[in-house]
Amino acid sequence: DAKTTQPNSMESNEEEPVHLPCNHSTISGTDYIHWYRQLPSQGPEYVIHGLTSNVNNRMASLAIAEDRKSSTLILHRATLRDAAVYYCILNIYNNAGNMLTFGGGTRLMVKP
Amino acid sequence: DTGVSQDPRHKITKRGQNVTFRCDPISEHNRLYWYRQTLGQGPEFLTYFQNEAQLEKSRLLSDRFSAERPKGSFSTLEIQRTEQGDSAMYLCASNPAGGYNEQFFGPGTRLTVL
Repeated sequence: DAKTTQPNSMESNEEEPVHLPCNHSTISGTDYIHWYRQLPSQGPEYVIHGLTSNVNNRMASLAIAEDRKSSTLILHRATLRDAAVYYCILNIYNNAGNMLTFGGGTRLMVKP
Repeated sequence: DTGVSQDPRHKITKRGQNVTFRCDPISEHNRLYWYRQTLGQGPEFLTYFQNEAQLEKSRLLSDRFSAERPKGSFSTLEIQRTEQGDSAMYLCASNPAGGYNEQFFGPGTRLTVL
C-alpha cells in the first residue's frame, strides 16, 4: 500500500488558517486522498477527499499538488474544536469496500 | 440520533477471559468495519462485512478473534482468552455500498485486560 508522511504535531492560533501537509510520493493513479480527523475520546470522522482537483466542503479545503505526490488540508479559521489528530489516507475507490489504512496522523493543537 | 453505536463503551477483564462487543451501524448501511486502535497510534483495520458476508480479514485478526453479522444488521466482535496485548480501543464503522462513501465511526469500546 502507498504510504503517507505527516508531521507528528502542529500548533495554530485560534481563528487563523491552518495548513496540514501530507506527502505521498508513491501514490498510484487510482489512489484517492482522504482526510479524517479524530477528536479526543471519539471515533474518527470524515473531513474531505479528492483525486486530482482541489476540493472544498463546509469543513475544509483540500489542495492537491499537480504531480499528486503531496496534498494539504486547509482549515480556513481554526477553532478550539478543531483540536484533533488529522489523518491523511490513500485508498483505492472501488465497490469492494474501502478499508482505511491510517498512519500516525498530525496532532493539531489550537491556542486561544 | 441514528449514528453508529457501540456497547459497552468500556470493558475491564482479566487475562484469559472471553469478551464480546456489539456494534449497531447506521440503519441500512450495508458495509460494516471493525478497527483496533492502541494508545498513540492510528486505527488498524481488522475485518469488513457487506451485509452478513465477512469479505475481508486482516492478518491482525488472530484465531482468538471472531466477528459475526448474522442478519446483516448489528455485528459482534468476540475475543477469546484475552491477553494484555489485546488492550485497545475497538472501533466500528459503517457506510452504504455503491460508490465512494465516507465511513461513519462509532465512539469505540475501550478494552483493558489486567
